Amino acid sequence: DIVMTQSPDSLAVSLGERATINCKSSQSVLYSSNNKNYLAWYQQKPGQPPKLLIYWASTRESGVPDRFSGSGSGTDFTLTISSLQAEDVAVYYCQQYYSTPKDFGPGTKVDIK
Amino acid sequence: EVQLVQSGAEVKKPGESLKISCKGSGYSFTNYWIGWVRQMPGKGLEWMGVIYPGDSRTTYSPSFQGQVTISADKSISTAYLQWSSLKSSDTAMYYCARSEKEAAGRGDFWGQGTLVTVSS
Repeated sequence: DIVMTQSPDSLAVSLGERATINCKSSQSVLYSSNNKNYLAWYQQKPGQPPKLLIYWASTRESGVPDRFSGSGSGTDFTLTISSLQAEDVAVYYCQQYYSTPKDFGPGTKVDIK
Repeated sequence: EVQLVQSGAEVKKPGESLKISCKGSGYSFTNYWIGWVRQMPGKGLEWMGVIYPGDSRTTYSPSFQGQVTISADKSISTAYLQWSSLKSSDTAMYYCARSEKEAAGRGDFWGQGTLVTVSS
């Protein structure tokens, strides 16, 4: 199984400042035949289902603000919120969908400082 | 408009059986995967498995294989998650999520969740 880890567990950022979340997979999730990283990022607010933000490691889902960006390849990935807004307070999860089980990372809680 | 509408909250006793549902609309149900994700109280997301309603191909996480059954009835655009004998540790919120064919298991669109409470 591919094990997903995230860091930090939580972070507090001032409004308008940058938030950076890291995700690491125990094996590469880059599929060589199509050169795609099978890595997604989700946002979950209290009492709501998760919402897809980023897929293929760096493709923003339709309707997601451009302050959210994803980067990385292979085993190391980053979600960046360039200018934190109050509505971005949530838990953020990465997920690999390269192989079964398509597990999630443990989550990173983002708060306002 | 794409919608995944899940069945309502359930309160069950240990040992009872249960089947919860996820009805898709606004898209071609047979051309997308439907997956299930567990979230225990105050915890993270756990991937359980997926089904492709077009041909009923099903894949389970080893952690859930044998513990639950995932099925679908394409005639009514509905996927199911089923337990034959519930345990108190099955108490959780369960989400269904749609995935594109080339990205099985990725949750592009999510249901609202079904809260299952198992208590004697």
